Amino acid sequence: AQSVTQLGSHVSVSEGALVLLRCNYSSSVPPYLFWYVQYPNQGLQLLLKYTTGATLVKGINGFEAEFKKSETSFHLTKPSAHMSDAAEYFCAAPRGPKGYQKVTFGTGTKLQVIP
Amino acid sequence: DADVTQTPRNRITKTGKRIMLECSQTKGHDRMYWYRQDPGLGLRLIYYSFDVKDINKGEISDGYSVSRQAQAKFSLSLESAIPNQTALYFCATSDLEGAHYNEQFFGPGTRLTVL
Repeated sequence: AQSVTQLGSHVSVSEGALVLLRCNYSSSVPPYLFWYVQYPNQGLQLLLKYTTGATLVKGINGFEAEFKKSETSFHLTKPSAHMSDAAEYFCAAPRGPKGYQKVTFGTGTKLQVIP
Repeated sequence: DADVTQTPRNRITKTGKRIMLECSQTKGHDRMYWYRQDPGLGLRLIYYSFDVKDINKGEISDGYSVSRQAQAKFSLSLESAIPNQTALYFCATSDLEGAHYNEQFFGPGTRLTVL
């Protein structure tokens, strides 16, 4: 079964600093992988997703993630943090038959951006 | 207008009461999901549905039931609420377009407190 592990439940960065949020997945099969973001008092929305092909995936708001099979990782990065990036971020991976489109979510990482 | 709506947005109730949370969507998706979110645990799947005749238990369905009244409506019920069901509840939708796993679209959430 596919599962994801997010390292660090809280990450603090200074405004303008690099953002790095870590996600490792477990599977012997090349996965589909997602990053979702949850802003305060809102539902989740998709930041980016990896399917197949290019391993560097660009998403919204300047975020990107690189799929590294050798490291079973899909870390999320942004070169320069902005105050508006403060949110909770979830890595997710599919599970079960494709027909149901189910996913497993990681436990989330809260990003704090310090002025 | 929001594509996925949830009512109510906030609810405080007492132990033993019956509660219904409602979800409606205008996206035309046939897959619908109910999740609960607890701090440090991420999102956990309660129930999911392929269509009005297809209802499936997720990983934490005990104490919950659902009804798919139409393609666009999916309700979650707590027959006899207990305090450990205090959580943030999300409805989500997805479709099966193409060969990939697709993103899920989330409602704004319902914050439920059981006293």
